[in-house]
Amino acid sequence: DVKVTQSSRYLVKRTGEKVFLECVQDMDHENMFWYRQDPGLGLRLIYFSYDVKMKEKGDIPEGYSVSREKKERFSLILESASTNQTSMYLCASRGARNQYFGPGTRLTVT
Amino acid sequence: DQQVKQNSPSLSVQEGRISILNCDYTNSMFDYFLWYKKYPAEGPTFLISISSIKDKNEDGRFTVFLNKSAKHLSLHIVPSQPGDSAVYFCAASGGSNYKLTFGKGTLLTVNP
Repeated sequence: DVKVTQSSRYLVKRTGEKVFLECVQDMDHENMFWYRQDPGLGLRLIYFSYDVKMKEKGDIPEGYSVSREKKERFSLILESASTNQTSMYLCASRGARNQYFGPGTRLTVT
Repeated sequence: DQQVKQNSPSLSVQEGRISILNCDYTNSMFDYFLWYKKYPAEGPTFLISISSIKDKNEDGRFTVFLNKSAKHLSLHIVPSQPGDSAVYFCAASGGSNYKLTFGKGTLLTVNP
C-alpha cells in the first residue's frame, strides 16, 4: 500500500510566522502535490512537483512556496502566515493515474 | 471556470437504498475519471476510477457510469451503509497531464 505521511495533523500558528508543512511518500513516486481544502470550495491545487527540485504553480500559489530536495519529501512553506491561510492542507503522491493522499494537516492561523 | 462540477452539495439516503452521486465535466480532453471519499479530518481515499474507453466500472457495492456524449459520470452505491457517510469528490485528468481537476464535493449522509 502507498503510504503518504504528513508531519502534523493539527497546527496552530500566529500571523506572520513562517510555517513548514512536510510530506513524505514511500513509493518512489515522481509526482507530488499540495492542496488545500475549504468548505464549499473543494480541493484546490497550490503547487506540484514532477521531479526532485522541479516544481510548478497550481491554481492558488500566492503566499506559498515549496521545496523538493529529495524524491520522497515535498514541503509546503507559508512564508508569512495569514488568517486566510487557515485551512486543511493535503499532500498527495501520484502513482499511475491515481493520486494517494496523506491524512491532512489542519492549520489554524490566529 | 469550473471544469468538473458536482451540482449537489449534499445528498441524504436511507440505509439499504441506492445512493447516486453525479458529476459533470466540460473539458473534452479528460479521459480518466476518479471518485474519492473523504471523512472529516482525514485525507481523501481513492474509491473507484474509469477510463474513457469504458462506460461502466464496478467494484463491490460501488459502480461508476460514464456517459461521454453527455460529459457526465455518476457513482452508484448499493446498498448504502451508514459508514458511507462522507464527502465524495469527483476528479478528472486528461492525456499526459498528470494533474487532477476536482469537483467541489457532495456530502452523502446515510441514515440508519
